[in-house]
Amino acid sequence: SQQGEEDPQALSIQEGENATMNCSYKTSINNLQWYRQNSGRGLVHLILIRSNEREKHSGRLRVTLDTSKKSSSLLITASRAADTASYFCATAIMDMGRRALTFGSGTRLQVQP
Amino acid sequence: EAGVTQFPSHSVIEKGQTVTLRCDPISGHDNLYWYRRVMGKEIKFLLHFVKESKQDESGMPNNRFLAERTGGTYSTLKVQPAELEDSGVYFCASSRDSLAKNIQYFGAGTRLSVL
Repeated sequence: SQQGEEDPQALSIQEGENATMNCSYKTSINNLQWYRQNSGRGLVHLILIRSNEREKHSGRLRVTLDTSKKSSSLLITASRAADTASYFCATAIMDMGRRALTFGSGTRLQVQP
Repeated sequence: EAGVTQFPSHSVIEKGQTVTLRCDPISGHDNLYWYRRVMGKEIKFLLHFVKESKQDESGMPNNRFLAERTGGTYSTLKVQPAELEDSGVYFCASSRDSLAKNIQYFGAGTRLSVL
């Protein structure tokens, strides 16, 4: 079983529309992060939300966290063609010296111009 | 500030050969991580260095994989002998302070193809 499963696996929208991606996880966490990966590039950190936070904003990004349901969502508003990428959620437990991130399988977002 | 750099970007080897991947973290980052993404699967943690010490190597798949970080600067990940199932993209990441938010900065990855 995976920590951090995401849906949808793929999403295609038009420029200007909003994109919502969801992530579920299985264990207690310290924080949850979202990363973006453009084709052939590394992962870029987008936003972090702590376990005691419920919502966070950064520019056109809005992240929510529901620890009771062990789920998070990433909303990208007014999408642009440049937002086309794969998006991954990653959870951090941060106990006993562990700093590893556990990634979901990712959502491939295609924004049509 | 230079980002995390990885070399090579792509490596094609035959089963049974040895390959060494290199990662240069962001200067000043004591924490260095290795992850890999095997085809069709999620990105999985391999190990974590704090300076030159292995803090967590719980994700290393088997003893064919050897990671080092002599001097606490760059790191190498050696696969010997390589097997077909080792094919995938190997990512390196670094972070400054693992006690804080643990935001990790990733390199572009090394795509390893074992034939």
